[in-house]
Amino acid sequence: AQSVAQPEDQVNVAEGNPLTVKCTYSVSGNPYLFWYVQYPNRGLQFLLKYITGDNLVKGSYGFEAEFNKSQTSFHLKKPSALVSDSALYFCAVRSAGTGGGNKLTFGTGTQLKVEL
Amino acid sequence: SAVISQKPSRDICQRGTSLTIQCQVDSQVTMMFWYRQQPGQSLTLIATANQGSEATYESGFVIDKFPISRPNLTFSTLTVSNMSPEDSSIYLCSVASGQVTYEQYFGPGTRLTVT
Repeated sequence: AQSVAQPEDQVNVAEGNPLTVKCTYSVSGNPYLFWYVQYPNRGLQFLLKYITGDNLVKGSYGFEAEFNKSQTSFHLKKPSALVSDSALYFCAVRSAGTGGGNKLTFGTGTQLKVEL
Repeated sequence: SAVISQKPSRDICQRGTSLTIQCQVDSQVTMMFWYRQQPGQSLTLIATANQGSEATYESGFVIDKFPISRPNLTFSTLTVSNMSPEDSSIYLCSVASGQVTYEQYFGPGTRLTVT
């Protein structure tokens, strides 16, 4: 079975400071990893993905994430946070193999609050 | 990425009634999914909507309660039947297309409140 853990329910950061939203995963075989963002009363927006290749992946709105196979982590980062980044962030995983179908498993979400 | 629309965007329904949610995609897609997001919680997959065959339901979800149709490669419906307050949630459809189904794209969601 595949699973995702987002250990922090909420992350607070001052505008202009770097931010990190943590994610660890468990999956059979190689993982495909994703980050999504949800603004209030909106659907989920795709931010970035790791499939293969470089461990550091860049996505939308200046976000990036680092894949660490030994630590089974895929933390979301941004060098300089903006108030407009305040939203709910979800990490998701699926197995690269076909056994799990195309099902994504989502973490419980981390509320990011960026303050002036 | 695909552009996905859902109707209605929100609704308030009485217990015991049913609501059908529509999901329309602007291009043909191989796979469509229906999720539920209960207040303050993560997303839970209800079922995979298969074109031309019955939907594949996840554990805890049954066809009688959540019948799904997928008449073509751009459209699907989810019905929430015999509703109770516990069905109050956001219902989201998502799509994954092509042979390389790496990421899913989500519709804006339908916010359902059952009174």
